[in-house]
Amino acid sequence: QITLKESGPTLVKPAQTLTLTCTFSGFSLSTSGVGVGWIRQPPGKTLEWVALIYWDDDVRYSPSLKNRLTVTKDTSKNRVVLTMTNMDPEDTATYYCADYYASGVDAFDFWGPGTMVTVSS
Amino acid sequence: NFMLTQPHSVSESPGKTVTISCTRSSGSIASNFVQWYQQRPGSSPTLVIYEDDQRPSGVPGRFYGSIDRSSNSASLTISGLRPEDEAVYYCQAYDGTIWVFGGGTEVTV
Repeated sequence: QITLKESGPTLVKPAQTLTLTCTFSGFSLSTSGVGVGWIRQPPGKTLEWVALIYWDDDVRYSPSLKNRLTVTKDTSKNRVVLTMTNMDPEDTATYYCADYYASGVDAFDFWGPGTMVTVSS
Repeated sequence: NFMLTQPHSVSESPGKTVTISCTRSSGSIASNFVQWYQQRPGSSPTLVIYEDDQRPSGVPGRFYGSIDRSSNSASLTISGLRPEDEAVYYCQAYDGTIWVFGGGTEVTV
């Protein structure tokens, strides 16, 4: 059974750095082809892909956020960490992590419950 | 990069059939697989269709995915609508560099 869960602060101030952790089980991020992605959703709006890290440490970033993002993984602890710098109120959103290809499907097939992050002074 | 455009909302009665479109702005819809996600209120998205027309295990056969090259669009058809199908549905595709989501279609039953 694949599960993922996001954790991190619920409130950050403008210009601060956000650090979110995705802890997962049921698959290994050392398996060829597997990745963990981050997707966010501002209140009442659509989904926006943020980043994805593959089993081989290849990382893809959204072009619009690339300069502010860092994604790392700790395979032994089944964790992926997203860091986003210079937070702005427009970054207020629910942040989801999801597995990619863990069940052999080229899709985000299992998602965490999400964590709501508010950017406000 | 391309955009995926969906109708904002659709409404249909229980037991009926509804079809949601997802139109690709540039490049062929057949170039990259399309996925569909269901997001019920207050919940995270779940995958209902992958690789254009494949259903994950546990997704009922009432959910059907297809692509139409002539309109450059993908479609999700839900037959025998049930109250629990009420949700927002998002299409998604990967162009080899980024993952793109559509704006979402709210289905009211």
